[in-house]
Amino acid sequence: AQKVTQAQTEISVVEKEDVTLDCVYETRDTTYYLFWYKQPPSGELVFLIRRNSFDEQNEISGRYSWNFQKSTSSFNFTITASQVVDSAVYFCALSEARNTDKLIFGTGTRLQVFP
Amino acid sequence: NAGVTQTPKFQVLKTGQSMTLQCAQDMNHEYMSWYRQDPGMGLRLIHYSVGAGITDQGEVPNGYNVSRSTTEDFPLRLLSAAPSQTSVYFCASSYQPAAREQYFGPGTRLTVT
Repeated sequence: AQKVTQAQTEISVVEKEDVTLDCVYETRDTTYYLFWYKQPPSGELVFLIRRNSFDEQNEISGRYSWNFQKSTSSFNFTITASQVVDSAVYFCALSEARNTDKLIFGTGTRLQVFP
Repeated sequence: NAGVTQTPKFQVLKTGQSMTLQCAQDMNHEYMSWYRQDPGMGLRLIHYSVGAGITDQGEVPNGYNVSRSTTEDFPLRLLSAAPSQTSVYFCASSYQPAAREQYFGPGTRLTVT
């Protein structure tokens, strides 16, 4: 069965600190897709990244980076030099190739960045 | 483009009442879905549709009905509201099924008393 675990319920940091949000997934499929979404205080969900299981290269986008490790079934998200605008709930999600109609979300990590 | 729109933004219902949450998208997406978001539980899939005339159940379908008569619209019906259905409801759509980026609506906050 597919499952996504975000063990960190809430993280607080001070501006300019680096922070890593953990995501561990379970799947029996060899082909699958991993996602991160951001939910700022305004409530809408914003897509950040999609990764397929065959692409283990780390990705960097500005202050954001993602570390995908199949050996540990993890897809962690790091924000470098955090800013107050990064305060949000971040969700990791998984979709299996044999059932791409379903997207399973983790429970989310609330990040608070203080000035 | 308006993207994904949801109405209403807020709703209060009494137990046993029925209502329909509206969702529409103008991006010609084939895939649409409904999620509910509860504290500490993330987003859970209620129902989804891969095209007009086709719907299927997600993780938590009980108490909800959907239909998809057009590509643009995907309404969610609560037949007899219960306090356990108090939640924030999100509609989403994408060009392909869930393996692609999904576009979310702004959400509907529903309270059942």
